[in-house]
Amino acid sequence: DAGVIQSPRHEVTEMGQEVTLRCKPISGHDYLFWYRQTMMRGLELLIYFNNNVPIDDSGMPEDRFSAKMPNASFSTLKIQPSEPRDSAVYFCASTRSSGAEAFFGQGTRLTVV
Amino acid sequence: KQEVTQIPAALSVPEGENLVLNCSFTDSAIYNLQWFRQDPGKGLTSLLLIQSSQREQTSGRLNASLDKSSGRSTLYIAASQPGDSATYLCAVPWAGNMLTFGGGTRLMVKP
Repeated sequence: DAGVIQSPRHEVTEMGQEVTLRCKPISGHDYLFWYRQTMMRGLELLIYFNNNVPIDDSGMPEDRFSAKMPNASFSTLKIQPSEPRDSAVYFCASTRSSGAEAFFGQGTRLTVV
Repeated sequence: KQEVTQIPAALSVPEGENLVLNCSFTDSAIYNLQWFRQDPGKGLTSLLLIQSSQREQTSGRLNASLDKSSGRSTLYIAASQPGDSATYLCAVPWAGNMLTFGGGTRLMVKP
C-alpha cells in the first residue's frame, strides 16, 4: 500500500480564498483523522471519522472549517474563508481499527498571505 | 483530558551514545502508547506501538517501555547515529481514538 496520501503538499493562498485539502487513507482502514501542526500549539486533532461518519469535530477551530468523507477512500478538509492564522501543516492519518497504530500522510503545508 | 509531556525538549549528543527520551501522561487509563519520528518538513513515521498489557517493545536499536501506573514511557536509542537526528513524539489515545501528542524531543546526533 502507498500509505496515506495527501494533496497538495504545499498550498499558498490569499486571505479570504477557499482552500481544500485532500486525503486518501490506507485501504481497509476504518478511521480517518485530520490534525493540524503549528510551532505554538504542536499537533492538534481537528476531526475524526469512523466508517465515513464524523465522530468528533470538537477540535475544529471555527465554522470556517469543514470536513467530509464521501467514501472510504477519500476525505477533504475545507477552509472558507481562509485567514493568515490558518497557516500550518495539516496532516491526515488513518487506523485500521479503534486504538490501532496510526499512519500519517506527508502533510499539506498551508500558507495564507 | 489527557496531557502529554516530553522531556527534554531538545537533546544534542555525539554519535555512538546511548540515549533515553522521556514521555509522561496524566491519565493512566490508556490501552496503548505510540512513538513517532518526524524529520523536518516531513510527516510522522510510526516507530513503536506499545499495548497497555506490554511493558516493552523493541525494533532494531529502539526500545520503548511503558509504565502505566506511573504514567511514563521511555524511548531508548542504542548506539545513536547522525541519521537518528529528528523530532521524536509520543502519543496516547483518549476518549477511545483521539491521539494526544507530547511536544516532542528534538534530537541532534553529531558525527
